Amino acid sequence: EDQVTQSPEALRLQEGESSSLNCSYTVSGLRGLFWYRQDPGKGPEFLFTLYSAGEEKEKERLKATLTKKESFLHITAPKPEDSATYLCAVQGTTGNQFYFGTGTSLTVIP
Amino acid sequence: ETGVTQTPRHLVMGMTNKKSLKCEQHLGHNAMYWYKQSAKKPLELMFVYNFKEQTENNSVPSRFSPECPNSSHLFLHLHTLQPEDSALYLCASSHGLAGGRSSYNEQFFGPGTRLTVL
Repeated sequence: EDQVTQSPEALRLQEGESSSLNCSYTVSGLRGLFWYRQDPGKGPEFLFTLYSAGEEKEKERLKATLTKKESFLHITAPKPEDSATYLCAVQGTTGNQFYFGTGTSLTVIP
Repeated sequence: ETGVTQTPRHLVMGMTNKKSLKCEQHLGHNAMYWYKQSAKKPLELMFVYNFKEQTENNSVPSRFSPECPNSSHLFLHLHTLQPEDSALYLCASSHGLAGGRSSYNEQFFGPGTRLTVL
């Protein structure tokens, strides 16, 4: 069964304290792994797509990496404005299904 | 502003009411999606449309009826809902549905409709 598990469920960081969020997945053939950011009361905002193991992508203080079983979202020197829920999703090669995790709620304290 | 708009933003309805949710995308995309987001649960994909044709229906109860008149508009018609249907309903769009390594599948979401069923 295709599924996505994210950890931790919640994370509190001091401003400037780097950390990583984890997304573990099982899928019958990976078409793509997607990271999104969701602010309260808003829809998810697209961040990255990763397609194959070893791939990395960066955007400002965020860096996403991918292995055959998991993806990490590394946050370097976070700022309070990085506070949000980060969602991970995978798309398998069978059909047009997208599977989301429950997200990691990140709070960055000034 | 993602280029995907949803109306209404909030909706309260009784179990016997009939209402519709509307989604419009201004991105020139060809695929559109309905998702349900409940507290502490992952986003659940409900329906997928590609070039106005429904490609996925994930065992969604018949009290939810989608309609896609063209690639820019998507509706979700609601009738005789249950209290457990209360959730945030999100619309998304992507360039299309493609195999292989392609940005076609990257989805852009609207702000959602917060639905409460009394």
